[in-house]
Amino acid sequence: DAGVTQSPTHLIKTRGQQVTLRCSPKSGHDTVSWYQQALGQGPQFIFQYYEEEERQRGNFPDRFSGHQFPNYSSELNVNALLLGDSALYLCASSTDLGETQYFGPGTRLLVL
Amino acid sequence: GQQLNQSPQSMFIQEGEDVSMNCTSSSIFNTWLWYKQEPGEGPVLLIALYKAGELTSNGRLTAQFGITRKDSFLNISASIPSDVGIYFCAGQLPNNNDMRFGAGTRLTVKP
Repeated sequence: DAGVTQSPTHLIKTRGQQVTLRCSPKSGHDTVSWYQQALGQGPQFIFQYYEEEERQRGNFPDRFSGHQFPNYSSELNVNALLLGDSALYLCASSTDLGETQYFGPGTRLLVL
Repeated sequence: GQQLNQSPQSMFIQEGEDVSMNCTSSSIFNTWLWYKQEPGEGPVLLIALYKAGELTSNGRLTAQFGITRKDSFLNISASIPSDVGIYFCAGQLPNNNDMRFGAGTRLTVKP
C-alpha cells in the first residue's frame, strides 16, 4: 500500500520564477492538504483540496494556488517566488473531513 | 489564529530515561495528534486523540487529551537512540480542515 508520494524531492529556483509541486495521496484517500514548513518551525496550513475544489485556505497569498485531479492527485503552484518561500512543502492526505492526515516526505524548495 | 505552545523546545537525555513534552492552546481542539519528524522526511503520525480525557498508548509512547480540550502531553518511556527527532503536537478544530502545529520539541538521546 503506497503512502503519500511527492515530487520532486528537491528544487532550486530564482526569485520571480514559478514552481509546481506534485503530490499523490495514499491509496483510498480523496482529500489532499498542503503545508509549508520553514526551517525550525512546525508546518503551516496552505490549503486543502477535496472533489477537485479548494475547500479551505490558510493565511497565504494568492501567489499560492493549487489543483486536484480526478485521480485525487494534486499540484501546488507558487508564482513570483520570493526568498522567503524557501521551505519544505508537505502534502498530507486523508479520507474525509476531520480524519487523520498522513504526510508525504516533502519537497524542499530553495529560492535564490 | 489558534496558536499551540509546545514545550520544551529541546531535550537532551540519556538512553533509558523517560521523556515528557506538552502542548497548550488558548483554543479548544476536537482532535490532538502527535507526530515525529526525522531529517529529510515528512512528519509521521504517532498517536491520535479524539476525546477529552482520552489516554492512549502506542508501545513506549503514551499521550493524553486534556479534559479542557486545550492541552495534551506525550510521554516516552525508556528512551532509545532511535527516538531522536523532532516531535510535533497538532490540533484540529471541529469541522475544520486545517491542523495547527506546535513549534516542535527536538529530542536528543545520548547512548
